[in-house]
Amino acid sequence: DVKVTQSSRYLVKRTGEKVFLECVQDMDHENMFWYRQDPGLGLRLIYFSYDVKMKEKGDIPEGYSVSREKKERFSLILESASTNQTSMYLCASRTTRYEQYFGPGTRLTVT
Amino acid sequence: KNEVEQSPQNLTAQEGEFITINCSYSVGISALHWLQQHPGGGIVSLFMLSSGKKKHGRLIATINIQEKHSSLHITASHPRDSAVYICAVRWADNQFYFGTGTSLTVIP
Repeated sequence: DVKVTQSSRYLVKRTGEKVFLECVQDMDHENMFWYRQDPGLGLRLIYFSYDVKMKEKGDIPEGYSVSREKKERFSLILESASTNQTSMYLCASRTTRYEQYFGPGTRLTVT
Repeated sequence: KNEVEQSPQNLTAQEGEFITINCSYSVGISALHWLQQHPGGGIVSLFMLSSGKKKHGRLIATINIQEKHSSLHITASHPRDSAVYICAVRWADNQFYFGTGTSLTVIP
């Protein structure tokens, strides 16, 4: 079975802190994605990566950056956390047949 | 702008009822996916459709390409079906665009 893991289920950070969210998949997928999920808005794409060291902006990249140094690991970075980044963050990896596998999510609260 | 519309937003049903969740989209798509999200956040993929109908256990998904509409049906609903059901469409850019979800509660 494909497994996508995320570093934390719950995280509380202060405004201005640098935040790292890590995602690891164990199925050698090239495509990985970071989404955020907010009530009434559905999942929105922040960044995605088609391969190691490659990254592409999604629909809402402002305030975020990403890192993909190894194929299995895709990190989301909040350079200076703000309260409007309080959200559920979901990582996913995808097969070449477009089957998406999601991690359990990280519920981030910025105070 | 939300180009994927789901209805209803919330749905409460008695155990055993037949349930239908609807998804409409605005332009032609490569495929449509139905996802299930349980409390706690984890999302699993239920179906991927580009035409016709698929069935898995008590779940049935249909799509009408001409009408740009898909439905997810649950037969003989059970409390363990309680979850948020999300429709996602994949367009020519191969990215997913998600509906806001339908929250289903099945009461024993």
